[in-house]
Amino acid sequence: DGGITQSPKYLFRKEGQNVTLSCEQNLNHDAMYWYRQDPGQGLRLIYYSQIVNDFQKGDIAEGYSVSREKKESFPLTVTSAQKNPTAFYLCASGLRHTDTQYFGPGTRLTVL
Amino acid sequence: QQPVQSPQAVILREGEDAVINCSSSKALYSVHWYRQKHGEAPIFLMILLKGGEQKGHDKISASFNEKKQQSSLYLTASQLSYSGTYFCGTRETGTASKLTFGTGTRLQVTL
Repeated sequence: DGGITQSPKYLFRKEGQNVTLSCEQNLNHDAMYWYRQDPGQGLRLIYYSQIVNDFQKGDIAEGYSVSREKKESFPLTVTSAQKNPTAFYLCASGLRHTDTQYFGPGTRLTVL
Repeated sequence: QQPVQSPQAVILREGEDAVINCSSSKALYSVHWYRQKHGEAPIFLMILLKGGEQKGHDKISASFNEKKQQSSLYLTASQLSYSGTYFCGTRETGTASKLTFGTGTRLQVTL
């Protein structure tokens, strides 16, 4: 089946630890995105990538890092520098020329 | 800059209609509408491009007023399945292909 997968669905980490969230797509989409959603809030863009080996900061990139070594994969690392990492993280992908984004199921990260 | 959505929340009885608005202070290239159920991923509903078009499928339609930089989502004869939070995402004219999302409108449809 074609789609976007994120793993794991729930993730718990101790404060001060780095953690990497996985995002994979087999839709042959060029562009991939990472968003953060806090309770009752909208989606805030962390990083995005329109082609392999290239990515740009979004509105709230501090404390996060990404890589785009393969078209299918766009992992997000939440570093210890992120002051309030507990949130729902959503990955999306889309075709560059259409803007439309399709979302994965999300990873709920809780930092204890 | 984040688009402004109104209302923030609305409660409807099944069969009633609703309108959700999305306004931007920037010139927009496109407006996208999504619906999100609690704890789930947002689902794409429709895209409107500058040019003042209107789109729809089933009983959900939307319009985009380019002069006002405003889009409206129309939900007709609402069903229980329409419950969720609706987000608009906007792409500004002349910018890279990325969307800025509003804070959402929570819609609850009751019997």
